[in-house]
Amino acid sequence: DAGVIQSPRHEVTEMGQEVTLRCKPISGHDYLFWYRQTMMRGLELLIYFNNNVPIDDSGMPEDRFSAKMPNASFSTLKIQPSEPRDSAVYFCASSSTGIVTEAFFGQGTRLTVV
Amino acid sequence: SQELEQSPQSLIVQEGKNLTINCTSSKTLYGLYWYKQKYGEGLIFLMMLQKGGEEKSHEKITAKLDEKKQQRSLHITASQPSHAGIYLCGADRTGTYKYIFGTGTRLKVLA
Repeated sequence: DAGVIQSPRHEVTEMGQEVTLRCKPISGHDYLFWYRQTMMRGLELLIYFNNNVPIDDSGMPEDRFSAKMPNASFSTLKIQPSEPRDSAVYFCASSSTGIVTEAFFGQGTRLTVV
Repeated sequence: SQELEQSPQSLIVQEGKNLTINCTSSKTLYGLYWYKQKYGEGLIFLMMLQKGGEEKSHEKITAKLDEKKQQRSLHITASQPSHAGIYLCGADRTGTYKYIFGTGTRLKVLA
């Protein structure tokens, strides 16, 4: 298996534009997590899915953020409209259980909003 | 404010030196997870401690958990350039999936 695949690896966009981050989890993993990493706040859980269903989205910072998982092999995190303070590295992780130590992380998407 | 304070934020050491990274919390958190991250890569799980007072070692890396004092640490003995990277500590909020992480320590080891 190729592991958790995220795209794009880098994204630079202008303030106000819509940004879509993509994630392909490891096949067979029932849990999918979206994290955001910044220097100031470290790594924060935004939302997680179990069997394609959003279970907890309390970490999503604002209504500008939305996440979907239309099927077991694909998830998106969308920011609309984007703002400079959204600049961060966004990680997707998947696991067959909900245990963080058994989660595999993607390489991340480095988002810069100018 | 950050629930899990990690220090130092960055660290530069000479190869062969020992070093310690600390994580402290003002609230009650459970367990200890250490991850390593290299630039542009995902997180790699290093080790986990679940019991207060527990200590675990793997190769030259030792993790300690003191839940009473809410202190967590990672100690590297005789550091090597391969130890360079960002180290993240993590802990668990009451057994939920809301694992939280520290802000990371950037470690550079000079050859």
